[in-house]
Amino acid sequence: DSGVTQTPKHLITATGQRVTLRCSPRSGDLSVYWYQQSLDQGLQFLIQYYNGEERAKGNILERFSAQQFPDLHSELNLSSLELGDSALYFCASSVVGGNYGYTFGSGTRLTVV
Amino acid sequence: AQTVTQSQPEMSVQEAETVTLSCTYDTSENNYYLFWYKQPPSRQMILVIRQEAYKQQNATENRFSVNFQKAAKSFSLKISDSQLGDTAMYFCAFMNLPIGDMRFGAGTRLTVKP
Repeated sequence: DSGVTQTPKHLITATGQRVTLRCSPRSGDLSVYWYQQSLDQGLQFLIQYYNGEERAKGNILERFSAQQFPDLHSELNLSSLELGDSALYFCASSVVGGNYGYTFGSGTRLTVV
Repeated sequence: AQTVTQSQPEMSVQEAETVTLSCTYDTSENNYYLFWYKQPPSRQMILVIRQEAYKQQNATENRFSVNFQKAAKSFSLKISDSQLGDTAMYFCAFMNLPIGDMRFGAGTRLTVKP
């Protein structure tokens, strides 16, 4: 157990639907990061939050949004889902800047049918 | 924008032998960090080793070591005495400060053969 908790572990939904992925960071970590990993590909950076504030944004689609709450947990909202959104979504956390590396959750496997 | 390139999509090595995975990166920054992550079939992302760009000494963690060549922007991972449990995808990653968002390469799939 890495200390980063992601729920749900698996999610199957239909095209056009909206889903919410949840992440609880490791205790003491203030930064949360979201990544998308499509089948057998690398990790694409989506967005970063630090202590409730958006800090960096990567290749995140306009249909996707995220937020970090006062208790530091984060949610990634995916709307108007398409087949191509099927992927493994990782959340990671770190102490402040992450220069000691990120701690990753086990991911949420999203399948859009 | 920073880019990370892993030119070896797949590699294999015999158990107990040594293998080196390559990684190059492109940046105009001077203050940054480099990482190698391992992703076994379980899909969990596991930090293997990290390197601070301002340190010339190569990082070592047990059987894992890096060859960091800052001028060449190269950051290779050497795995000594390979074990079956080393079979995984290996991702090279770059992170610059102060933002701290980590960017990953496409990965190298390593298979350790008995």
